[in-house]
Amino acid sequence: EVQLLESGGGLVQPGESLRLSCAASGFTFTNYAMRWVRQAPGKGLEWVSAISASGSATYYADSVKGRFTIARDNSKNTVDLHMTSLRAEDTAVYYCAKAALNYALIDFWGQGTLVTVSS
Amino acid sequence: DIQMTQSPSTLSASVGDRVTITCRASRSISSWLAWYQQKPGKAPKLLISKASSLESGVPSSFSGSGSGTEFTLTVSSLQPDDFATYYCLQYNSYPLTFGGGTKVEIK
Repeated sequence: EVQLLESGGGLVQPGESLRLSCAASGFTFTNYAMRWVRQAPGKGLEWVSAISASGSATYYADSVKGRFTIARDNSKNTVDLHMTSLRAEDTAVYYCAKAALNYALIDFWGQGTLVTVSS
Repeated sequence: DIQMTQSPSTLSASVGDRVTITCRASRSISSWLAWYQQKPGKAPKLLISKASSLESGVPSSFSGSGSGTEFTLTVSSLQPDDFATYYCLQYNSYPLTFGGGTKVEIK
């Protein structure tokens, strides 16, 4: 059974940093690209970042480029999102998501972790 | 970037109704479109990929169609468990982009 378990969310002040982590199980992690998607309170879904199966390719939404970094550890089956210079508009539930094999499609989501940026 | 315009944003319907949700892409995405269902406080669930391929375990009352720039999700007979918010996603190219969502409410 595929499982994605996010951790690391919490309350931070504007300008601070936070690292989210996603622990994956139930599938061969090294074969699959991974994504982060966020959802602000009461709003729709916004794709944030993606990383290839090997970790050699990364992609970012313009809204987070230069502030967020995605990385994975294939020895530990984890994918992280390091967030810096956080803003109020980064407040959201952050979902870790698995890509389908050989496609950019998101086929499975974790339950999410809430990040609140507020003074 | 490819913009996804989803309509309507809200839909009021009754059990047994046939409902249709539309997504339009700002340029052709071939058939690289998915539909998700999300219930309050839960993660989205994949219903349909590649515009019309129903995921395993998804009721056959759900169907998807379209290619290029116009796509539809149809529920042939709405059931109580289907009241939720639905999103389309284009995965033709980065950045991946979602439609704004359609909330299906009980009339």
